[in-house]
Formats: sequence, structure tokens, C-alpha cells
Amino acid sequence: EAGVTQSPTHLIKTRGQQATLRCSPISGHTSVYWYQQALGLGLQFLLWYDEGEERNRGNFPPRFSGRQFPNYSSELNVNALELEDSALYLCASSLRGTDSKPQHFGDGTRLSIL
Amino acid sequence: SQQGEEDPQALSIQEGENATMNCSYKTSINNLQWYRQNSGRGLVHLILIRSNEREKHSGRLRVTLDTSKKSSSLLITASRAADTASYFCATAHTGGGNKLTFGTGTQLKVEL
Repeated sequence: EAGVTQSPTHLIKTRGQQATLRCSPISGHTSVYWYQQALGLGLQFLLWYDEGEERNRGNFPPRFSGRQFPNYSSELNVNALELEDSALYLCASSLRGTDSKPQHFGDGTRLSIL
Repeated sequence: SQQGEEDPQALSIQEGENATMNCSYKTSINNLQWYRQNSGRGLVHLILIRSNEREKHSGRLRVTLDTSKKSSSLLITASRAADTASYFCATAHTGGGNKLTFGTGTQLKVEL
């Protein structure tokens, strides 16, 4: 069974640009989550999508946005990039439902802002 | 902000020894999960324990949960060099659905 796949592996941008990160969940998983792991700040929850709808959002500005497609894959968009957006962005997927479901993570996209 | 605090921040042991990591959290939870992260890579799910469970085992892993103290521990028995990684606890808190709040992590080094 293929795991969660993320692309690209690395992404280098400059301040003010826009970045798009992609995630394909495990087959059969309908929930997709995005997390940011920045140096010194740890793992922070960004967004949760299920069945194409945004279910929850972390404490991030509106320039962080995303969507989930009918095939359950997802995109994270970051507009007007700032230096502090440099981080490892991790995507996870799980089976549907709000009760206890383990999340399975991809290897992440490392975003570097110059 | 992070809900969980883990201790120790770093732990260095010899192969074959046991490793214990502790996690504390602040608000009521639906479940608590432990993850492993090898340097710069994604997280690997280790074990999930629900709020109505007190102990769970998976291979060389043993997790306990004390909801009255808002704490959990992860025990790795008979450690191996391959266990060298960062370990995180993550909580799904009541009312938050399946959103996870991660602890600060423990860096485990297992030496030969």
C-alpha cells in the first residue's frame, strides 16, 4: 500500500512569492491534515480537510490556504511568502471520522524562503 | 501553541537498555498518539491510546495514560541503534475533532 506522498520534496522561493505544496493521501483515506514544523516552534497544526470541506484551521494568517480535490488529494498554498515561513510542511491522512483515528504522515516538503 | 511538554528533551542510552519518555498535556483529550521522526523526515505513527484506556502495548512499545494527571509515558524496551530518533506525543483534545496538538519532543540516541 502506497503511503502519503508529498511534492515537491524541496522548494526554494523568495520573499513575496507564492508556493503550492501537494499531497496525495493513502488510498481510502478521506481526511487530509497539514502541519508546519519550523525550527524552534515545533509541529503546528495548519489545516484539516475532509470530504472536500475545511473542517478546522490552526492559528495561521489567511495567506495560508488550501483545498481538497474530489480524489481526496490536497494542495496547500502560501501567498506573500515571508522568511519565517521557512519550514518542513507535513501532510497526513486518516480514515474518515471525528473519533480516534491515527494519522499517517508523508515525508514533507521543505520550503526555504530566501 | 503546543499543548504538550515532553521530558526529557534528550536521552542517551546504550543498546539493550530501556528508554522512557514522558508527556504532559493541559486540556482534556479524546486520544493521545505517539510518533517517531527520523532526522528531517516525516512522522511514523507508533501507537494510539484512547482517553478511556490506561495502557497499551505494541511490540517493544508500552504506553500508559493517566488522565487524572494529564500525562502519558512511552517505554521502549531492549532499545536498538535503529530506535535513534525524535519521539513526539500528540493529543486530539475534546472538541477539536481529529486535529493533533504536538508536544515538544524527546531526542533519543541509542549507542552501540
